[in-house]
Amino acid sequence: AQSVTQPDIHITVSEGASLELRCNYSYGATPYLFWYVQSPGQGLQLLLKYFSGDTLVQGIKGFEAEFKRSQSSFNLRKPSVHWSDAAEYFCAVVYQDFGNEKLTFGTGTRLTIIP
Amino acid sequence: DTGVSQDPRHKITKRGQNVTFRCDPISEHNRLYWYRQTLGQGPEFLTYFQNEAQLEKSRLLSDRFSAERPKGSFSTLEIQRTEQGDSAMYLCASSLVAIQETQYFGPGTRLLVL
Repeated sequence: AQSVTQPDIHITVSEGASLELRCNYSYGATPYLFWYVQSPGQGLQLLLKYFSGDTLVQGIKGFEAEFKRSQSSFNLRKPSVHWSDAAEYFCAVVYQDFGNEKLTFGTGTRLTIIP
Repeated sequence: DTGVSQDPRHKITKRGQNVTFRCDPISEHNRLYWYRQTLGQGPEFLTYFQNEAQLEKSRLLSDRFSAERPKGSFSTLEIQRTEQGDSAMYLCASSLVAIQETQYFGPGTRLLVL
């Protein structure tokens, strides 16, 4: 069964510091990977997605993620965080080879920014 | 593009009552999805439609839950005889048809069952 693991429930980072949020997915031949962000009272907003091609993908708000098939990982990074980045971050996967198209989400990582 | 909208944003009900939520997708989107999110968890898939056809239902969707999309536009999710365990955020998303198309989410309906 498809699954996503986000090992870090909560991360605290100083404003201006770099950030890396971890995501591991269960094996599948053709994973389509997504990172979404959810702010309090807001819906989920797509940050970036990976389908194929270049394994380093750029997203909105200065975020990027790198797909590493050998490690079954899709970690999200940002070189310098801003206080407005404080939110909940979700990694999600869809597997083309399973023939369904629903997103399977991780449990999320809550990001706190300190001045 | 006005985005995905959901109504109501909040609902408080007593156990045993029926509730209905509405989702209006982005107008040109054929696909419509329902997810449920409980506290401290990621969203979990409930069901999805392509136009008016309901293509898949999760085993999370008990007999008390029913979803419709009668004209292939807006959708409703009804919960009958609500239980306290139904308390959650109910999220709707829409997309174009194709596995790689982005699902755009609405703000959700937060349900509290007392």
